[in-house]
Amino acid sequence: GAVVSQHPSWVICKSGTSVKIECRSLDFQATTMFWYRQFPKQSLMLMATSNEGSKATYEQGVEKDKFLINHASLTLSTLTVTSAHPEDSSFYICSAREPDRSRQETQYFGPGTRLLVL
Amino acid sequence: AQKVTQAQTEISVVEKEDVTLDCVYETRDTTYYLFWYKQPPSGELVFLIRRNSFDEQNEISGRYSWNFQKSTSSFNFTITASQVVDSAVYFCALSGLMDTGRRALTFGSGTRLQVQP
Repeated sequence: GAVVSQHPSWVICKSGTSVKIECRSLDFQATTMFWYRQFPKQSLMLMATSNEGSKATYEQGVEKDKFLINHASLTLSTLTVTSAHPEDSSFYICSAREPDRSRQETQYFGPGTRLLVL
Repeated sequence: AQKVTQAQTEISVVEKEDVTLDCVYETRDTTYYLFWYKQPPSGELVFLIRRNSFDEQNEISGRYSWNFQKSTSSFNFTITASQVVDSAVYFCALSGLMDTGRRALTFGSGTRLQVQP
């Protein structure tokens, strides 16, 4: 299957700092990537859809200025949590959609990034 | 709007038992896709299967099997002869047209499966 990497896997930061998370599709080009957030023992909530070469589409309730998304190339999307606060602590997971028509709609997920804001 | 319901929050079985994870969905879309993902303690979501709305054939892959019934909007997942390594959270998900006009993946709340040795 398609491989998606995410970096870093763990980050601890002080309140007020910004954190950048990278998501890469390793063996395919992804025009669309997705960012999810997962709280402990809960399901995944879609934050935004990242489109290569255009602005990200945010879900209702997600602050665009807080969670900056940049999809600079067909294999890389970044999520920057700006001025992080303790309530931003969570597990952030990215995914990339397989472009192959025969496997359309399938999203492959990165290993996730655990963010802890002190 | 689309919705996925996994009524079983947690299931505990003993190794070698069969277990079925239930999934019921709602969508107004006529073309949609259903998925099962496994999330082990490490956190990474592992893709298990995709089914499109026009393909109601059941599928078997080793110890895993899936039963898709459009008439009851269900897509259940059975693990035969469960093993300790099957312990994980399993998510059912639906990809379809949202009210926003975009296609997106909606996840169920997940079922935590614990297989005891």
